[in-house]
Amino acid sequence: GENVEQHPSTLSVQEGDSAVIKCTYSDSASNYFPWYKQELGKGPQLIIDIRSNVGEKKDQRIAVTLNKTAKHFSLHITETQPEDSAVYFCAASNGVRNTGNQFYFGTGTSLTVIP
Amino acid sequence: DSGVTQTPKHLITATGQRVTLRCSPRSGDLSVYWYQQSLDQGLQFLIQYYNGEERAKGNILERFSAQQFPDLHSELNLSSLELGDSALYFCASSVGTVAEKLFFGSGTQLSVL
Repeated sequence: GENVEQHPSTLSVQEGDSAVIKCTYSDSASNYFPWYKQELGKGPQLIIDIRSNVGEKKDQRIAVTLNKTAKHFSLHITETQPEDSAVYFCAASNGVRNTGNQFYFGTGTSLTVIP
Repeated sequence: DSGVTQTPKHLITATGQRVTLRCSPRSGDLSVYWYQQSLDQGLQFLIQYYNGEERAKGNILERFSAQQFPDLHSELNLSSLELGDSALYFCASSVGTVAEKLFFGSGTQLSVL
């Protein structure tokens, strides 16, 4: 099955700085890579996703890059704010229509933005 | 608010007991997924149902079972509970079988004493 590794496990940045979280995956059949943000006491919330036919995607201060050859994808948060503090999870999915799919999550990165 | 409702929020029980966790998906979503989140294992996929039928299975123990009812709500049954089953259990939903966006509930915190 798929194996998703995520680094670092904890990350502290000063407010206004950038934060980068990296993930690698093992299954070349994986074709969808979402990122989730989990705040304390809440369930994970999708913040951005990318498909295997796209190399980069941006949404305001958040961007995700994908390197299919290296089986590597990253989350970039620019101009960090205290409300960005949360646990971030990457995931990889190899969903195939009509046969169900499974998401494989990374182990999470606890991001702290210091005011 | 994701639109996914999970009950109860907290559950405290003893070893050997059986519990049922409930999930109502977002309106219009036909797939329900169950995940277990523990400190040392992260988010582990348990099982997926689509429109009442099992679609995908993960590392779900034989002591655990799930079902999705005609009104699309789902229940996760955990039996012969062990201390190691203590975890946060999340339900998520999506529109189709191929989940391109998962919407998670707030979870049920299970404590087995």
